[in-house]
Amino acid sequence: AQSVTQPDIHITVSEGASLELRCNYSYGATPYLFWYVQSPGQGLQLLLKYFSGDTLVQGIKGFEAEFKRSQSSFNLRKPSVHWSDAAEYFCAVGASINKFYFGSGTKLNVKP
Amino acid sequence: NAGVTQTPKFQVLKTGQSMTLQCAQDMNHEYMSWYRQDPGMGLRLIHYSVGAGITDQGEVPNGYNVSRSTTEDFPLRLLSAAPSQTSVYFCASSYLTGTRGTDTQYFGPGTRLTVL
Repeated sequence: AQSVTQPDIHITVSEGASLELRCNYSYGATPYLFWYVQSPGQGLQLLLKYFSGDTLVQGIKGFEAEFKRSQSSFNLRKPSVHWSDAAEYFCAVGASINKFYFGSGTKLNVKP
Repeated sequence: NAGVTQTPKFQVLKTGQSMTLQCAQDMNHEYMSWYRQDPGMGLRLIHYSVGAGITDQGEVPNGYNVSRSTTEDFPLRLLSAAPSQTSVYFCASSYLTGTRGTDTQYFGPGTRLTVL
């Protein structure tokens, strides 16, 4: 069965520190890959996506993600976290029109 | 350009009551979908539509009905609400792509539903 795993439920980092959020997926072929961010009480906003080509993709707000086929991973990174990055982050996998799966999310806290 | 709008923002129902959650988009997207978000479970697809008059089931369709009479609107109906349907509901829309489904999905602000 297809699945998306975000192994870290909560992460706390200090402002200015680097960040890496992990995402692993289980799917036979290479699906479309997405990272979304959700601020409290809000809808989801796309950070970045990977369909094909260069495996390192750049997104908004200084985020990037790297697709590693051999590890079935699509980890999200940011070199220097800002207090406004505190939110919940979701990895998502699109395999077909009726197969769009979200991970369970990682809540990011940022210490001043 | 309002994007994806949802009404109401909050709703409290009693068990057995019915209601419709409204969703509209003004981006001329072919694809629209409904998700529910529950703590620790991410978002799960309820129903989706690839165009006016075409709907289909997602991962968790039981207890919900949808219809798509226009490109813009995609209402979600709860015919007989149950406490298990307490959740936050998100509507989304996107363009369709090739074989693997949808491009970026744009989400509405959500409807927080409580069923007593």
